[in-house]
Amino acid sequence: EIVLTQSPGTLSLSPGERATLSCRASETVTANYLAWYQQKPGQAPRLLMHAASRRAAGIPDRFSGSGSGTDFTLTISRLEPEDFALYFCQQYDRSPFLFGGGTKVEF
Amino acid sequence: QLQLQESGPRVVKPSETLSLTCTVSSGFITSYYWTWIRQSPGKGLEWVGNGHYGGNTNYSPSLKRRVSISVDMSMNQISLKVHSVTTADTAVYYCAREVGYLDVWGQGLLVTVSS
Repeated sequence: EIVLTQSPGTLSLSPGERATLSCRASETVTANYLAWYQQKPGQAPRLLMHAASRRAAGIPDRFSGSGSGTDFTLTISRLEPEDFALYFCQQYDRSPFLFGGGTKVEF
Repeated sequence: QLQLQESGPRVVKPSETLSLTCTVSSGFITSYYWTWIRQSPGKGLEWVGNGHYGGNTNYSPSLKRRVSISVDMSMNQISLKVHSVTTADTAVYYCAREVGYLDVWGQGLLVTVSS
């Protein structure tokens, strides 16, 4: 199974700053089948990115994804107050489609 | 717009079976895989497994012996059963549509395992 390791566990930043979140896979993720989700307290996760770098519908362009193989990155160019949340990556290359442990972006 | 709604008992006793249903608001249930995810209080997301109306399923290795997922086309529902539950199965359970990634999620249902 492909294990995903996210770092850092917590990112302490201020509005307007740049956030860089890492997701590292234990094996190569074929065709960049990697997604990112955002979760706010008391809410279900929401799809942000798929295929590593494709924004989901309605996601603002301050969110960008990059990477390939085993190393992937989610970047938020300028943090807005509503961006402080939990972020998870998930690979959908091979079952089981496990999630990473998450990164909390806090103010 | 597609909506998913989880339903079922909020409290389950240890050693019993947890049974949840996910109702899909519109058609095309046969066109997709449907996934169950859970999240223990204060923890990350755990992929439980997925299923297709044709009967194909995939399960998390850590839950495989206790979990079953099925898709009922006539009711537009996806079911999840977790057998022999313990307090470690206490979690918010989500269903989601799988198009590779998970593009539509239900709001989630907190299920507590307690005597």
